[in-house]
Amino acid sequence: GENVEQHPSTLSVQEGDSAVIKCTYSDSASNYFPWYKQELGKRPQLIIDIRSNVGEKKDQRIAVTLNKTAKHFSLHITETQPEDSAVYFCAAHLAFNKFYFGSGTKLNVKP
Amino acid sequence: DGGITQSPKYLFRKEGQNVTLSCEQNLNHDAMYWYRQDPGQGLRLIYYSQIVNDFQKGDIAEGYSVSREKKESFPLTVTSAQKNPTAFYLCASSMQANTEAFFGQGTRLTVV
Repeated sequence: GENVEQHPSTLSVQEGDSAVIKCTYSDSASNYFPWYKQELGKRPQLIIDIRSNVGEKKDQRIAVTLNKTAKHFSLHITETQPEDSAVYFCAAHLAFNKFYFGSGTKLNVKP
Repeated sequence: DGGITQSPKYLFRKEGQNVTLSCEQNLNHDAMYWYRQDPGQGLRLIYYSQIVNDFQKGDIAEGYSVSREKKESFPLTVTSAQKNPTAFYLCASSMQANTEAFFGQGTRLTVV
């Protein structure tokens, strides 16, 4: 089955700096890679996703890159703000199968 | 509010009692999932269902049971066989094709 590893487990940055979270996956058949943000005590919510036929996707301050050959994908947050502080989860998915989630990264943006 | 509803938000039970957590969605999604989240931990899959009347065990199914009699509903029962049931439980749903999973707001279960 699929195995998703996520690093780092915690990340602390200064407001305005960039943050990068990396994930690797094992099943080359996985073709959908969402990223979720979970604020304390709340539900995870999708912030960006990428499909295997795309190498990069950007939405304002958030971008995701995918390297299919190396089987890794990354979340990039630029100009971080205190409200970006949360736990971020990556996931890998294959149609008609389950989602495989990474273990999460706790991001702390210091004002 | 995402179209997927979990109830109740908080649940307290005595040790040794079975308890059922509700999950309902009106998104017409085929797939539904139950995850457990412990403090500071990631999402661990308990059970998932890709279609009505069918479900599969996830990574930590022991002590849990589910049913999928209707497309809209995927209730989770935490049985007395679950050794450490106190946790935050999240239900999610998605289309079978590659689209995002929508999460419910979660149920925080405390067993005393």
